[in-house]
Amino acid sequence: EVQLVQSGAEVKKPGESLKISCKGSGFDFSNHWIGWVRQMPGKGLEWMGIIYPGDSDTRYNPSFEGQVTMSADASISTAFLQWSSLKAPDTAVYYCARNVLPNSFDVWGQGTMVTVSS
Amino acid sequence: SYELTQPPSVSVSPGQTARITCSGDALPKEFAYWYQQKPGQAPLLLIIKDSERPSGIPERFSGSSSGTTVTLTISGVQAEDEADYYCQSTDSSGIQVVFGGGTKLTVL
Repeated sequence: EVQLVQSGAEVKKPGESLKISCKGSGFDFSNHWIGWVRQMPGKGLEWMGIIYPGDSDTRYNPSFEGQVTMSADASISTAFLQWSSLKAPDTAVYYCARNVLPNSFDVWGQGTMVTVSS
Repeated sequence: SYELTQPPSVSVSPGQTARITCSGDALPKEFAYWYQQKPGQAPLLLIIKDSERPSGIPERFSGSSSGTTVTLTISGVQAEDEADYYCQSTDSSGIQVVFGGGTKLTVL
């Protein structure tokens, strides 16, 4: 079965760092772009960017560039999304999703809820 | 930045046909995709490349395209179709992915 399994919910304080993960199985993880999507509470989907685990080529939405870092370890079929200094507005559910050409997302992780609160 | 525009809400009675539109300047050139999201769940890919259905998606879901507008049509709406629906495409560069703001479908 093709699936993406994300790490569990996180509760953090402003200024803390965080790295969440997305592990793929059932497909050639190295040769598929993996995207990240943010959904703030009660709001819509926002594309953050995509990464190609085979060579770590990364493309960011300009709105998120510099705010987060995407990385991947193809040897363990896992993509990561990290923050160096969280802010309250980072509170959201973050989804990873498999990108298939030309540009859709056919398999989604279950989402990781990140709560940033003092 | 590029935007896709959807109506915030659409209401329909069971058995009727629901149509959800999505407008964007690059849609004549770039494919559109549709997703369904139910509360507490991840999005589900419904329509690919404007009008194709992935395997497992019921035939009552269809997509079409005309100029700068794409449309998701749900024929014979069922109560279980009540959800948020999002269109997605790319800007004219073909690189930056964009989601529409989402449309809440209410089944009366």
